[in-house]
Amino acid sequence: NAGVTQTPKFRVLKTGQSMTLLCAQDMNHEYMYWYRQDPGMGLRLIHYSVGEGTTAKGEVPDGYNVSRLKKQNFLLGLESAAPSQTSVYFCASSYTGLAGNEQFFGPGTRLTVL
Amino acid sequence: QQQVKQSPQSLIVQKGGISIINCAYENTAFDYFPWYQQFPGKGPALLIAIRPDVSEKKEGRFTISFNKSAKQFSLHIMDSQPGDSATYFCAASGSGGYNKLIFGAGTRLAVHP
Repeated sequence: NAGVTQTPKFRVLKTGQSMTLLCAQDMNHEYMYWYRQDPGMGLRLIHYSVGEGTTAKGEVPDGYNVSRLKKQNFLLGLESAAPSQTSVYFCASSYTGLAGNEQFFGPGTRLTVL
Repeated sequence: QQQVKQSPQSLIVQKGGISIINCAYENTAFDYFPWYQQFPGKGPALLIAIRPDVSEKKEGRFTISFNKSAKQFSLHIMDSQPGDSATYFCAASGSGGYNKLIFGAGTRLAVHP
């Protein structure tokens, strides 16, 4: 039982390049989330999904797209990377979206955009 | 109204001392208040959580104190240990359907031996 896994762990991009971050969970959770973590700003929700085939915008969605074609996978895409997207990205999942339902986090992807 | 304000930004405590981290919120619709612990290079993990129907919750050396009228809650770490050195995030969310977690900015705790 691996929990929530993320690939890659590190990535360096040049401005304008594109990439996809992959999140996978083996807990059969319905809800999945993408956050970014920046110093002094905590974790901010980028996009989330309430189930296979559905996605919704979070707090800071601009510049990102997501897809959830399979229940266990949640992809985060950057179509044209900008230096402002330099951050640590965390994926999380939960069984439901109800308050009190624990979110389980992956180990993170550290992205640098030059 | 959606913010959760956390203080201090960083904290240094001697081994065996008490670590105290404070959070304040504005949205009275929040009714779930978790604390997450994050070690360097790892993702956050749920440490302890409270709902506003109780004023205190204790799990081992970790205690959440909740003051509903002041809209404040705090994490107390008793007998702090070097292994407690981590970043701590408070968070809040509402009830009824999906309500996203709103995180505080985080507190970096260092416990010196």
